[in-house]
Amino acid sequence: NAGVMQNPRHLVRRRGQEARLRCSPMKGHSHVYWYRQLPEEGLKFMVYLQKENIIDESGMPKERFSAEFPKEGPSILRIQQVVRGDSAAYFCASSLSSGTPHPYKGSTDTQYFGPGTRLTVL
Amino acid sequence: DQQVKQNSPSLSVQEGRISILNCDYTNSMFDYFLWYKKYPAEGPTFLISISSIKDKNEDGRFTVFLNKSAKHLSLHIVPSQPGDSAVYFCAASATGGGNKLTFGTGTQLKVEL
Repeated sequence: NAGVMQNPRHLVRRRGQEARLRCSPMKGHSHVYWYRQLPEEGLKFMVYLQKENIIDESGMPKERFSAEFPKEGPSILRIQQVVRGDSAAYFCASSLSSGTPHPYKGSTDTQYFGPGTRLTVL
Repeated sequence: DQQVKQNSPSLSVQEGRISILNCDYTNSMFDYFLWYKKYPAEGPTFLISISSIKDKNEDGRFTVFLNKSAKHLSLHIVPSQPGDSAVYFCAASATGGGNKLTFGTGTQLKVEL
């Protein structure tokens, strides 16, 4: 039973280039979340998507960042015209469902994380 | 505005003893709390959770305690094992918040032989 897959694991870009990060959720999961971890910090929520819909993008910068989760294929986090401050680890998580008020271990709400993509902007 | 705080960046414990990791939060809307464990170059792994209707949840060697009045929770690991050495993140969410998790900055636990 494959877990959450992310690729590439490492990505190097020069300032001004585009970065595309991919996330394949666990089998059967239709809820995807993207988080960013800057050095020496915790993970920060960016965006929450369900198939073909953005549910909450309150943590995503308004410019240069976009996310999608098409009907077929992986979720994509796209960063245009990257700058050095975009260098971070980007983690994707998936869950079977969402919104249950009091989930417990193994519940359908639990978010399972991928290994992350480490983006370095030169 | 750090709504979830882990004030100890590191903790060192001897194998077999108890590890206690602490977490404080400021947002009174949070009603669900989780602990994740993270090894270098890997994603966070879910460990244990607790809802605000409980004050304790136990799963094997891991127990989480919640003190709502103090807005404080703690993770107890007993007995600690060398394989427990990792960064531990506390996270919180609020009903109606769309399952969005707010994370602390993590505590690096080192379990020594």
